[in-house]
This record gives sequence, C-alpha cells and structure tokens, in this order.
Amino acid sequence: QVQLQESGPGLVKPSQTLSLTCTVSSGSISSDSYYWSWIRQHPGKGLEWIGYIRYSGTTYYNPSLQSRVTMSVDTSKNQFSLRLNSVTAADTAVYYCARGGFTMTSSFDYWGQGTLVTVSS
Amino acid sequence: SYELTQPPSVSVSPGQTARITCSGDALPKQYAYWYQQKPGQAPVLMMYKDTERPSGIPERFSGSRSGTTVTLTISGVRPEDEADYYCQSADSSANYPVVFGGGTRLTVL
Repeated sequence: QVQLQESGPGLVKPSQTLSLTCTVSSGSISSDSYYWSWIRQHPGKGLEWIGYIRYSGTTYYNPSLQSRVTMSVDTSKNQFSLRLNSVTAADTAVYYCARGGFTMTSSFDYWGQGTLVTVSS
Repeated sequence: SYELTQPPSVSVSPGQTARITCSGDALPKQYAYWYQQKPGQAPVLMMYKDTERPSGIPERFSGSRSGTTVTLTISGVRPEDEADYYCQSADSSANYPVVFGGGTRLTVL
C-alpha cells in the first residue's frame, strides 16, 4: 500500500519561504501514471489544491498561487517538494501531499497525514 | 476561477438516507469525486468518476449525476458516517484541473 509522508518546518516567518517534502514509500514516484499533488486546508476551512508535479518534472499550479509556488521532484529519493515564497499568515494551513492518477483531473487515492505549517513571527 | 457549490450542512438520523449535493457548470463535462474527512484526519476517497466506489468503501455510499449537479447518497446512515464531505471536479477546459467544493458537514442526530 502506497504511503506518503510530509516533512518540513512547522513554523515559518512572514515573508520567508515555506518548504515541504513528501516522501513516497511502497510505490515508485517514477511512473507516468501519476500526478503528485500538494493540497492545503486552512484551519476549519475546506481543501485548496496547490498544484501537481509528474516524475518528469512537468508541473501545473493553481492559477491563484502560481506566482509563489515551485514544485520539484527527486526520483532518486522518491520524493517531491513544495516551495511557497513570500508567505503571510494567510498561508497558515495543514499541507497534504497526495497521489492523483492517470489524468490531471483525476481523484486522489492516497494522501499523507498532513502537516500543520504556521506562519508567524 | 471555477466554483463547486455544496450545502454547508446536512443532518439525518441514524438509518435514514443522506443526500449531499455538489453543483457546478462544468459537471456535465467533467467527472466528480467525493471525499470523506473526519476531524484530524486526511480525506478519504469515497467515490470516483461520479458513481464508482473504491475498494473497501461500503455499498451504502453511492453517487449519481443530473445535469450540473452530482449527489453523494448515504443509505442507512450510521453514526460513524458523521464527517465533512468534499466534492472535487474540474472546469470545462481544465484550466483549473482540480477544484474542491466548500464541503458539507454531515451530522448524525
């Protein structure tokens, strides 16, 4: 069973860059079948898709966030990463990594447990 | 941007049927997916491609579509079904390939 695990700082200062990594286990990230995504959830709110990356490095970001988002993939470590720059308190959220399948509009069948990132000085 | 609209809350008694709707202009052209999220947990995929149930999801969960609205139906609701439910889809041209509805809190009375 595929497992995803987010890691990274739980506290980031305003104007700095949020950096998270998702490690995929019991499955290879190097498959053309999947879209690896980051999704966030503000406290007490709904889900917001941030973007996806494929093992080839192809990315697509939510247009509302694309000016601040960069994703990368490290197939040797079976990991993919998120960088969100110029953060504000509005970026405080639980960040999830998830596996989407087959098309860019597919559902997410495996999720990480989520990691809370707080933006505060 | 593109929006999917869900009712904020639905309440039912145990054993009754709960229907959670999700509306969006592009739903006639795009599949819808449903997730269940319990407090402190990651979302779980409950329905894909409108009506398909992933392995391990109880048969009391079903999906349907009618025009610009998709519905998640939970028959014979159990107390453990109390959770937030989110729909997911895309806009017609996939400029927004992943959009979530605002979520519906299902309360089992």
